[in-house]
Amino acid sequence: QAQLQESGPGLVKPSETLSLTCTVSGYSISSGPYWGWIRQPPGRGLEWIGNIHHSGTTYYNPSLKSRVTMSVDTSKNQFSLRLSSVIAADTAVYYCARVAGGTNVDYWGQGTLVTVSS
Amino acid sequence: EIVLTQSPGTLSLSPGERATLSCRASQSLSSTHLAWYQQKPGQAPRLLMYGASSRATGIPDRFGGSGSGTDFTLTISRLEPEDFAVYYCQEHGSSFGQGTKVEIK
Repeated sequence: QAQLQESGPGLVKPSETLSLTCTVSGYSISSGPYWGWIRQPPGRGLEWIGNIHHSGTTYYNPSLKSRVTMSVDTSKNQFSLRLSSVIAADTAVYYCARVAGGTNVDYWGQGTLVTVSS
Repeated sequence: EIVLTQSPGTLSLSPGERATLSCRASQSLSSTHLAWYQQKPGQAPRLLMYGASSRATGIPDRFGGSGSGTDFTLTISRLEPEDFAVYYCQEHGSSFGQGTKVEIK
């Protein structure tokens, strides 16, 4: 059974780059299928950020595409998110996830709160 | 980009009652691409249904899903106390609906 754990700074300054890593255990990231990032601003709903195939193919939310970069490191069984030029509206709980068959999230990380503030 | 609209925004019901939640897509999508999640405060969401009508592992049979094309429904046949939560639909592992809160009346 896969377990996912997000890690990264909890506080990022406006205009800087948010960087998070998801470490997967109990399952080889190379086995696929897809891996994703989802965020949830405080008190609000879920927002899909993007998915990445273990081969490196990416799919991003069009509204965030210009600022998002996702990557995968199969040697460390990790995948990562970078969101550039952050603003206060990027403050959210960020979840990493396994996307089964590219169609649904069957495993979630516990989530990590990232606050954008000076 | 497909937009999912959930209704109602809030559903106020009593334990034992039936809950019917709607998810409408802005364009037709394959039922294999529609999933439902449950989220409780302070927790990550949990997968309930995938492929519109298949229950995820460990999900009780009081949860049911149906629909095709642009209209999908999540039904909870008899609400248990632990079912009061927020429910989201998602298409093709990407866009989410805005959520329906099922609260105790």
